[in-house]
Amino acid sequence: DADVTQTPRNRITKTGKRIMLECSQTKGHDRMYWYRQDPGLGLRLIYYSFDVKDINKGEISDGYSVSRQAQAKFSLSLESAIPNQTALYFCATSAMGTVYNEQFFGPGTRLTVL
Amino acid sequence: AQSVTQLDSHVSVSEGTPVLLRCNYSSSYSPSLFWYVQHPNKGLQLLLKYTSAATLVKGINGFEAEFKKSETSFHLTKPSAHMSDAAEYFCVVSDRGGDDKIIFGKGTRLHILP
Repeated sequence: DADVTQTPRNRITKTGKRIMLECSQTKGHDRMYWYRQDPGLGLRLIYYSFDVKDINKGEISDGYSVSRQAQAKFSLSLESAIPNQTALYFCATSAMGTVYNEQFFGPGTRLTVL
Repeated sequence: AQSVTQLDSHVSVSEGTPVLLRCNYSSSYSPSLFWYVQHPNKGLQLLLKYTSAATLVKGINGFEAEFKKSETSFHLTKPSAHMSDAAEYFCVVSDRGGDDKIIFGKGTRLHILP
């Protein structure tokens, strides 16, 4: 089945450490997204990419960076992790040109920054 | 610019009784509207999506939602709740013809009482 995968699924790290979360998809979609989820706040968009050469900041990009290595891969980096970046992170994809812009989500990465 | 408001952060219903999860939106263009469900420790799954062809949208697991432009609402309903419906539900809006950004509501947690 075409899918969206995220690695790692869980990660505990310390303040100041650099960490990378990876997302891969086999759906053939052009568009990829990174969200973070915090209790009571829903999902907030960090970065999104509409193709390999296109990177856009979302609602809460400060403290994060991304890399679109290929159509199928979109990585999120925390250059110097801080405790308030503790959250559940989701990668999502969507197909360009569809009317409804339906998104398909990965299983999530639970990140804890101590 | 678009926005979405889920009017209840928590809803509790007894098993076998109707479910109503409320969502209001604002949109400068013709919106795409979605409901996603997130079961505990799981990713997000699409329940249903609004197409301009029909204002009453049927989704998976017996859920449906009605698009009411005059009320700018897209409430989610189910005639009879099941224990397996206990989850968090997100209403999502995307502007078709706008910047294609996707905005999530803050979520409604549905509790099913035995």
